[in-house]
Amino acid sequence: DTGVSQDPRHKITKRGQNVTFRCDPISEHNRLYWYRQTLGQGPEFLTYFQNEAQLEKSRLLSDRFSAERPKGSFSTLEIQRTEQGDSAMYLCASSLDNEQFFGPGTRLTVL
Amino acid sequence: RKEVEQDPGPFNVPEGATVAFNCTYSNSASQSFFWYRQDCRKEPKLLMSVYSSGNEDGRFTAQLNRASQYISLLIRDSKLSDSATYLCVVNMNSNDYKLSFGAGTTVTVRA
Repeated sequence: DTGVSQDPRHKITKRGQNVTFRCDPISEHNRLYWYRQTLGQGPEFLTYFQNEAQLEKSRLLSDRFSAERPKGSFSTLEIQRTEQGDSAMYLCASSLDNEQFFGPGTRLTVL
Repeated sequence: RKEVEQDPGPFNVPEGATVAFNCTYSNSASQSFFWYRQDCRKEPKLLMSVYSSGNEDGRFTAQLNRASQYISLLIRDSKLSDSATYLCVVNMNSNDYKLSFGAGTTVTVRA
């Protein structure tokens, strides 16, 4: 499968723990995006990379959130000191131009 | 005001019917417009881009009205497999391809 992959697909954690998600984009795509989606809402933009450079971060991304794309390929999203309000689907997308291809998402549940 | 607003529905239609719905966007400088489809607990997938001249892809027709800042999607001869949430998506700035999503319109096609 040469699409966008995300790992893990599901994560259950206790409040206050740190979690890290991984996204592997389509190999030739230079842009990578993170979105968050809660029930009944559309995805909300979190942050975006062009190659290894993080070019924009949403105000939704508090200082507990950090994202990296160290070699311009895969990316990680870390959430420190998780809160119940962090429970959501975290979607990664990649693109070469206008069309973004989404991964299956990581569903985070914070107890 | 949200950047992209949609009627959440649901639109319940019989097989073979035509269903149409709109979304509005707030930023008159928006550059690109899309309809994405999202099945329950799955990732969004691009259905079609929306061009100023309007465009058609099989049973799906999309229209853009820049003056009134709305986008429409029409589905003809509905199939059971068209049941999904349709996300209206706008790119506000062509430099970053960051997408703003509506909350989605749910369509259910019944036999």
